[in-house]
Amino acid sequence: QKEVEQDPGPLSVPEGAIVSLNCTYSNSAFQYFMWYRQYSRKGPELLMYTYSSGNKEDGRFTAQVDKSSKYISLFIRDSQPSDSATYLCAMSYLYNFNKFYFGSGTKLNVKP
Amino acid sequence: DADVTQTPRNRITKTGKRIMLECSQTKGHDRMYWYRQDPGLGLRLIYYSFDVKDINKGEISDGYSVSRQAQAKFSLSLESAIPNQTALYFCATSVSGGETQYFGPGTRLLVL
Repeated sequence: QKEVEQDPGPLSVPEGAIVSLNCTYSNSAFQYFMWYRQYSRKGPELLMYTYSSGNKEDGRFTAQVDKSSKYISLFIRDSQPSDSATYLCAMSYLYNFNKFYFGSGTKLNVKP
Repeated sequence: DADVTQTPRNRITKTGKRIMLECSQTKGHDRMYWYRQDPGLGLRLIYYSFDVKDINKGEISDGYSVSRQAQAKFSLSLESAIPNQTALYFCATSVSGGETQYFGPGTRLLVL
């Protein structure tokens, strides 16, 4: 069993839709959770991170962590064509940031 | 100019050939990483380096070697390339104790 599972998609939505991207994980020791965005032919870039359960909001993006269910989500409100990319979840142990465990990524396409 | 650069961006080689991928950074970070990305498998860590004298194996180091020539330069070598090393390779950097890894644009490698 992979430590981090992520639906590869692709996920296709119309512009303006609310998007929900999800990952599940098996290791309850993970305490640092990240979402990376990767445009085609580019390297991943950090979008959001959080240490704790609950929600963290940044503009149109909300990261949600449910440690009891080992489940994290990224919500995108009012999605735009520029949001079309692959979204990777990642996680690590607290204070051990050398080893990140990545999901396989979900490809999102926002249609104008 | 990009903070993390990788050369070459694309490479086609033949089975058995030795190949080197190079990474340079101007971010002043002490930690550097090499990952490979395969469809459905996400990012997997090959090697990482805390500083010039400290190099560590990641989860998939077999068939690869690295060299940290300076704080700003970290090279990945495939001593005898094989077709299942066909992948997208990323270099990343981080500051010691920092939560964020910064990725280069990637090198697309095809081994025939």
